Amino acid sequence: GAGVSQSPRYKVTKRGQDVALRCDPISGHVSLYWYRQALGQGPEFLTYFNYEAQQDKSGLPNDRFSAERPEGSISTLTIQRTEQRDSAMYRCASRKTGGLNSPLHFGNGTRLTVT
Amino acid sequence: TQLLEQSPQFLSIQEGENLTVYCNSSSVFSSLQWYRQEPGEGPVLLVTVVTGGEVKKLKRLTFQFGDARKDSSLHITAAQPGDTGLYLCAGERLAQFYFGTGTSLTVIP
Repeated sequence: GAGVSQSPRYKVTKRGQDVALRCDPISGHVSLYWYRQALGQGPEFLTYFNYEAQQDKSGLPNDRFSAERPEGSISTLTIQRTEQRDSAMYRCASRKTGGLNSPLHFGNGTRLTVT
Repeated sequence: TQLLEQSPQFLSIQEGENLTVYCNSSSVFSSLQWYRQEPGEGPVLLVTVVTGGEVKKLKRLTFQFGDARKDSSLHITAAQPGDTGLYLCAGERLAQFYFGTGTSLTVIP
């Protein structure tokens, strides 16, 4: 497809379960970013990759959160032992290069609800 | 931690009015981007400003990057209902993008 694809679009899970959120970036895009966004607010950085290498994971809230991009394309954000406070919109964005005029292209997000 | 503060947080105006949204930080950024987000969708880039003092125009939208590359403004002339949405600034530093707190704009016909 032409854009960034995220799946599932909606995920409802029970507290304590693990969830895996998938991001399929635009083909050929070098960088991939994960954000979390509360309603009506700006996205909050979680982590990002260049190719398969995780460059910065300082935004991950705690060690229950992890991400990987093993072949430098599709990425998975995993949340273990989910808690209600993990409920949010999780957004993925990809970027073609590291140049100053290279924008982020966002997916439509995964809405996670932990009950 | 939000490095970029936007003001106002909410703005409701009549069609045809002008408005300005501010994006402020104490940090220096290599570039600053403005995005617009509609309900149920991801943010979409409007413009990137790179040079301190730079002004860019996109139809009725005027973007300015502060001289010290710490702040920016977005001015909309003669707002239209189609301008309704969440406006986000994002500062880039060391390949990371720090998003602002967001400004929710509603233009009433």
